[in-house]
Amino acid sequence: GESVGLHLPTLSVQEGDNSIINCAYSNSASDYFIWYKQESGKGPQFIIDIRSNMDKRQGQRVTVLLNKTVKHLSLQIAATQPGDSAVYFCAENIGDGGSQGNLIFGKGTKLSVKP
Amino acid sequence: IAGITQAPTSQILAAGRRMTLRCTQDMRHNAMYWYRQDLGLGLRLIHYSNTAGTTGKGEVPDGYSVSRANTDDFPLTLASAVPSQTSVYFCDSSVVYPGDTQYFGPGTRLTVL
Repeated sequence: GESVGLHLPTLSVQEGDNSIINCAYSNSASDYFIWYKQESGKGPQFIIDIRSNMDKRQGQRVTVLLNKTVKHLSLQIAATQPGDSAVYFCAENIGDGGSQGNLIFGKGTKLSVKP
Repeated sequence: IAGITQAPTSQILAAGRRMTLRCTQDMRHNAMYWYRQDLGLGLRLIHYSNTAGTTGKGEVPDGYSVSRANTDDFPLTLASAVPSQTSVYFCDSSVVYPGDTQYFGPGTRLTVL
């Protein structure tokens, strides 16, 4: 079956550097993608989303890029801070008539920020 | 209540026992979902409800049931718990079609012995 996956399971960066977390998806029918951040012992927290009619979307210190040609999604975090240390999940919506709104999550990438 | 809450926070349960995990949201979101999170497997959808009165099966529905009697509550029931249901369970709510903020609850850590 089709699934969402991640290129890198772990990422270690220096405080102040930029981070890039990658995600590959295989369902060409997916039209909505989300990045979540999950800190230890907590539920996933919404970071940013993007629809398939867009290539790029920016938030506060975060940017999501979508390349539909190669089915690739990335999350860029500018000036990474210790508080950014967490597991990051990408998710795709493969909503159809009977399951609108359901998300398929990737396995996650752990981001560690070194002070 | 602000956002989405889950109860209990954690539970140890004997195999064969019945257990209901509670989820309540006060955001008047139409859609609610239950996920389980297991190491190495990520978040997997158990059941969902796009609106009060309707439910649907997700990726791993076996052994679980849900009900959606009203907009705010979406309980998840394990009729006869088994050790493979040991996991962290997250409830989530959103407007029917994701495009706005989605909120996850804090999770329930369930251990079945």
